[in-house]
Amino acid sequence: EVQLVESGGGLVQPGGSLRLSCAASGFTFSTYSMNWVRQAPGKGLEWVSYISRGSDSIYYADSVKGRFTISRDNSKNSLSLQMNSLRDEDTAVYYCARSAYDSNRFESWGQGTLVTVSS
Amino acid sequence: DIQMTQSPSTLSASVGDRVTITCRASQSISTWLAWYQQKPGKAPKLLIYKASSLQSGVPSRFSASGSGTEFTLTISSLQPDDFAAYYCQQYHSYPWTFGQGAMLEIK
Repeated sequence: EVQLVESGGGLVQPGGSLRLSCAASGFTFSTYSMNWVRQAPGKGLEWVSYISRGSDSIYYADSVKGRFTISRDNSKNSLSLQMNSLRDEDTAVYYCARSAYDSNRFESWGQGTLVTVSS
Repeated sequence: DIQMTQSPSTLSASVGDRVTITCRASQSISTWLAWYQQKPGKAPKLLIYKASSLQSGVPSRFSASGSGTEFTLTISSLQPDDFAAYYCQQYHSYPWTFGQGAMLEIK
């Protein structure tokens, strides 16, 4: 069974930093691209970042470009999102999501971790 | 960026009803469209991919169709478990974008 477990969320002041992690199990992590998708309180879904299987392709939403960095460690079956210069509007539940093998639809999701940016 | 627009934003229906949600893309995405269901406090769940293909384990009362810029998701006979939010997502091109969501409420 595919399992994605996020951690690292919490309360941070504007301008601060936070690092999210996603532990993957139940599948061969190194053979799938991965994503972060977020959802602000009471709002819809927003794709945040993508990383290919071998980390050779990386993409970001314009809203986080230059502030967030996605990375993965295939030896540890883990995905990370380093978030710097956080803003109020980054407050959201952040989901780790696995791409399908052939396209970037989101086949499997973690339970999410809440990031709150507030002074 | 490709904009995805869903309608209606909110839909009230009863158990047993047939309901349809529409999703429109701002440019052609062929059939690179997925539908997700999300219940309160839970992660989204993939229901449909490639515009009309049912994800494994999803009940057959869910169906979907469309291509190009217009797509629909239909639930043939609503069950209590179906009251949730539904999102479409295009995966034709980066940045991958979602519709704003459609909330299906009990009448």
